[in-house]
Amino acid sequence: KAGVTQTPRYLIKTRGQQVTLSCSPISGHRSVSWYQQTPGQGLQFLFEYFSETQRNKGNFPGRFSGRQFSNSRSEMNVSTLELGDSALYLCASSSLGGAGGELFFGEGSRLTVL
Amino acid sequence: GIQVEQSPPDLILQEGANSTLRCNFSDSVNNLQWFHQNPWGQLINLFYIPSGTKQNGRLSATTVATERYSLLYISSSQTTDSGVYFCAVESGTGTASKLTFGTGTRLQVTL
Repeated sequence: KAGVTQTPRYLIKTRGQQVTLSCSPISGHRSVSWYQQTPGQGLQFLFEYFSETQRNKGNFPGRFSGRQFSNSRSEMNVSTLELGDSALYLCASSSLGGAGGELFFGEGSRLTVL
Repeated sequence: GIQVEQSPPDLILQEGANSTLRCNFSDSVNNLQWFHQNPWGQLINLFYIPSGTKQNGRLSATTVATERYSLLYISSSQTTDSGVYFCAVESGTGTASKLTFGTGTRLQVTL
């Protein structure tokens, strides 16, 4: 079956703009979580959605937001982009929300903020 | 929060050599996964191993939850094994559960 699909794969934005990233989970998976990877901070948890509800949130400012649709596809949005938001954004899906679910990752969306 | 440390941070091997990567965590966990991050950035599942031992070809993993560590063994390494290896642990319960990644081990396999 198809894996986790993230779009776009690469994008370049300028400071102050906003960006929306999309993630389609594996068919049948209801949990989608998002992670930010930077050279300095490593992989950090952003938030998790399960059945259209945000279940958990990491320590990121309110500029980072997300949502999940009824078909389990998820989007994350970053408003008022800063240089430090340049990162690889990874999405993962799981059949189980919260504890106990094996995660499967997409190929990521690489964001560059100029 | 829980701390996850991986060692060594960097490892260079000649093709055909064996290696052991370690993941230590500071508190009890619900589950643990090992990933290989390929050069394009994708995290590839290796093992989902909250406890015990699993093997998949040249790779195997052992988690001793009571002693709060996990080991990833790579035998007869190949150049395609190069990349960064992460362990990730899930801790907490319900809506407080979260996944915490280790800092990674960067492996380079040379000819």
